[in-house]
Amino acid sequence: AQKITQTQPGMFVQEKEAVTLDCTYDTSDPSYGLFWYKQPSSGEMIFLIYQGSYDQQNATEGRYSLNFQKARKSANLVISASQLGDSAMYFCAIDSLTGANNLFFGTGTRLTVIP
Amino acid sequence: GAVVSQHPSWVICKSGTSVKIECRSLDFQATTMFWYRQFPKQSLMLMATSNEGSKATYEQGVEKDKFLINHASLTLSTLTVTSAHPEDSSFYICSVPFGATDTQYFGPGTRLTVL
Repeated sequence: AQKITQTQPGMFVQEKEAVTLDCTYDTSDPSYGLFWYKQPSSGEMIFLIYQGSYDQQNATEGRYSLNFQKARKSANLVISASQLGDSAMYFCAIDSLTGANNLFFGTGTRLTVIP
Repeated sequence: GAVVSQHPSWVICKSGTSVKIECRSLDFQATTMFWYRQFPKQSLMLMATSNEGSKATYEQGVEKDKFLINHASLTLSTLTVTSAHPEDSSFYICSVPFGATDTQYFGPGTRLTVL
């Protein structure tokens, strides 16, 4: 069984500042993938970044980076130089690399960027 | 990443009618597609896995006779909500796994309102 926990229902950040969105997970799978998605008010789910459990280095994609701490089972998303367009819901998700690759999502964090 | 479309983007129907939602993979062939449902202010929940050439796999608690899935081709999966009721009103969104990490790319979603 897999579980994702996002403890921050809402976060505020000043424009141009960095923000960290928390995500912890629980899984019995030896190999798994961790994902972050952005969901703006339009509803679409936009893939942001991926981290494999076997990856030694933290993933980075432009302004997004993932602070992966395997021993703590955490995969926090860091957004640098926040922009107004970053205001959205952010979901952390996990899938198994050894079984069915359907995603299990957390409850999400609503990020609001303040001008 | 993969480009996924959904049609319609929104639909309003009367209670008791059936509604068909299409999910298309536009730029590659997908043997597997996923269907999720998202109620307001909640996270995405997997409903079923659509498999080309075989029956769909439904998650526990999802009625297969109510939510009919047909993976007609390698680029098209359809979800039919039969005898829709107001409690079926939700945001339905499909995804396609793509690439070495099977990252799921989502369609824009379909908002269903049953009166």
